[in-house]
Amino acid sequence: EVQLVESGGGLVKPGGSLRLSCAASGFTFSGYNMNWVRQAPGKGLQWVSFISNTNSYIYYADSLQGRFSISRDNAKNTLYLQMNSLSAEDTAVYYCARSAGSYSLDHWGQGTLVTVSS
Amino acid sequence: QSALTQPRSVSGSPGQSVTISCTGTSSDVGGSNYVSWYQHHPGKAPKFMIYDVTKRPSGVPDRFSGSKSGNTASLTISGLQAEDEADYYCCSYAGSYSPYVFGTGTKVTVL
Repeated sequence: EVQLVESGGGLVKPGGSLRLSCAASGFTFSGYNMNWVRQAPGKGLQWVSFISNTNSYIYYADSLQGRFSISRDNAKNTLYLQMNSLSAEDTAVYYCARSAGSYSLDHWGQGTLVTVSS
Repeated sequence: QSALTQPRSVSGSPGQSVTISCTGTSSDVGGSNYVSWYQHHPGKAPKFMIYDVTKRPSGVPDRFSGSKSGNTASLTISGLQAEDEADYYCCSYAGSYSPYVFGTGTKVTVL
């Protein structure tokens, strides 16, 4: 069974940093592209970042302005999101999601809540 | 990349059909056969419902169907059931550097 389990969320002050993790199991992690998607309170889903299975391609939503960094460790079956210079607008539930072959997201984690507040 | 436009809410009685629209541009929905749909019950992981505009992943009931015309994709739920009450999001491929753009989301209410 495919499982994606996010961790690392919490309360952080504006301007602070946080690193999210997503532990994958039940599939060959190194064979799949991965993503982070977020949902702010009362808002819809927003794609955040994509990383290819071999780290060859990395993309970010334009609105992030270079503050976030996605990475992965295929030996540890883990996806990461380093978030810097956080603001209240980054408050959201962050989901990791696996890319299927046709630009869709076939498995999602339960999400981890990031709250940016003083 | 702007979010795709969905109605805020739709509703129907059990057994009825509802259709959710998802309007984009020629740069996303209109120019791509990679439109997908997700069901999201609050507090849970989103669930993959439709891909490639019309295809259903294994395990998704055939009450759920997708279509597209021009810049607008649609999800139809036939034979509405209580457990279908959830938020639904469309998603389209929007280019190599920004591969996913989501819709604004639609709340489906079963009356």
